[in-house]
Amino acid sequence: DQQVKQNSPSLSVQEGRISILNCDYTNSMFDYFLWYKKYPAEGPTFLISISSIKDKNEDGRFTVFLNKSAKHLSLHIVPSQPGDSAVYFCAASGWSSNYKLTFGKGTLLTVNP
Amino acid sequence: DARVTQTPRHKVTEMGQEVTMRCQPILGHNTVFWYRQTMMQGLELLAYFRNRAPLDDSGMPKDRFSAEMPDATLATLKIQPSEPRDSAVYFCASGRPNRGLDEKLFFGSGTQLSVL
Repeated sequence: DQQVKQNSPSLSVQEGRISILNCDYTNSMFDYFLWYKKYPAEGPTFLISISSIKDKNEDGRFTVFLNKSAKHLSLHIVPSQPGDSAVYFCAASGWSSNYKLTFGKGTLLTVNP
Repeated sequence: DARVTQTPRHKVTEMGQEVTMRCQPILGHNTVFWYRQTMMQGLELLAYFRNRAPLDDSGMPKDRFSAEMPDATLATLKIQPSEPRDSAVYFCASGRPNRGLDEKLFFGSGTQLSVL
């Protein structure tokens, strides 16, 4: 039972444009959400996070939006760069899960020059 | 620059052999996780520890997998006997979660396991 779902296995965008990666969750007890980026042959690296008390968090070119009523979050990358090409994982946790991070299956983003 | 260290980076073994993967968490981190990455399941949690005590190993096949933390600087994941379906990348991650303030984990580079 996937509690965190990334329904798009892949996404391709042009350099300079906006990339939007989506994530849905089913567990209403989740209250903290994170995005990780993963390059081949490396471990995932933390990108940005958001607490459930907020609906937006921004860090440079990266913005995460949270819609609690829809149990949906998205990651916006503006402008997209070729170096952003990687697999992006959405993750969620909650106090009831004892800080256990549950990950989605990932979305492969390709930014074309 | 603090990081999670995993060894070995690559392991090729034959079915039935024992496999041991090691992880050195970042100094001061009190929570250690083992994840497995496969094409079908993405990143799936196998086990995790808080202050060296196992909290959850429900994602782990109990008959062949075992996870331990003999001390604060070492976590191990063992597979005995290994099977071809165990072929995957195994990641260790550590963190020091502080609810709502900093729940991110730091990942090692992974162990690429191939069981023939």
